[in-house]
Amino acid sequence: DVKVTQSSRYLVKRTGEKVFLECVQDMDHENMFWYRQDPGLGLRLIYFSYDVKMKEKGDIPEGYSVSREKKERFSLILESASTNQTSMYLCASSPRGVDSGNTIYFGEGSWLTVV
Amino acid sequence: AQSVTQPDIHITVSEGASLELRCNYSYGATPYLFWYVQSPGQGLQLLLKYFSGDTLVQGIKGFEAEFKRSQSSFNLRKPSVHWSDAAEYFCAVGPYNFNKFYFGSGTKLNVKP
Repeated sequence: DVKVTQSSRYLVKRTGEKVFLECVQDMDHENMFWYRQDPGLGLRLIYFSYDVKMKEKGDIPEGYSVSREKKERFSLILESASTNQTSMYLCASSPRGVDSGNTIYFGEGSWLTVV
Repeated sequence: AQSVTQPDIHITVSEGASLELRCNYSYGATPYLFWYVQSPGQGLQLLLKYFSGDTLVQGIKGFEAEFKRSQSSFNLRKPSVHWSDAAEYFCAVGPYNFNKFYFGSGTKLNVKP
């Protein structure tokens, strides 16, 4: 089975702290994603990466950055955490391109509270 | 603009009753469509997907969905709901290269005994 692992399930950070959320996938997928999930808003794409060192902004990149130095690892960085970044963060990965067996695989999520 | 609309925020059905969750999309290219389910505090699990071919697709846990291009819809159905189906359901649309998927805001399903 494909596994997408988010290293931290629950974090509490202070306003202004730098926060790292780590994600690792074990299926050699080209694409990796970071989504933010808030009640009533569904999943909103923050950043995605289609290859090592390659990244593209999603719909809500402000206040976030990402790093992909290795194919299996995709990190989300909050340079200076703010209370409005309190949310559930979901990492996902997928192969590139349509094939009958392809889909997006999600991690279990990281609950971040900024106080 | 690309978007996915799930018009029902909450739905309550009785156990054993049938279920239909609505999904409408706006997408400028060939849509690749998905339904995911999320149990509380968990990630998302794929229920089913439509890429091409037969417009009625079968998924896991007895779910099915029908793609209607003329209506830009991809509604999820189940003939008989079980208490364990209580969860939040998300519809998503994306492109052939699997980047930039758009998700709906979700429908929370409650199941009455």
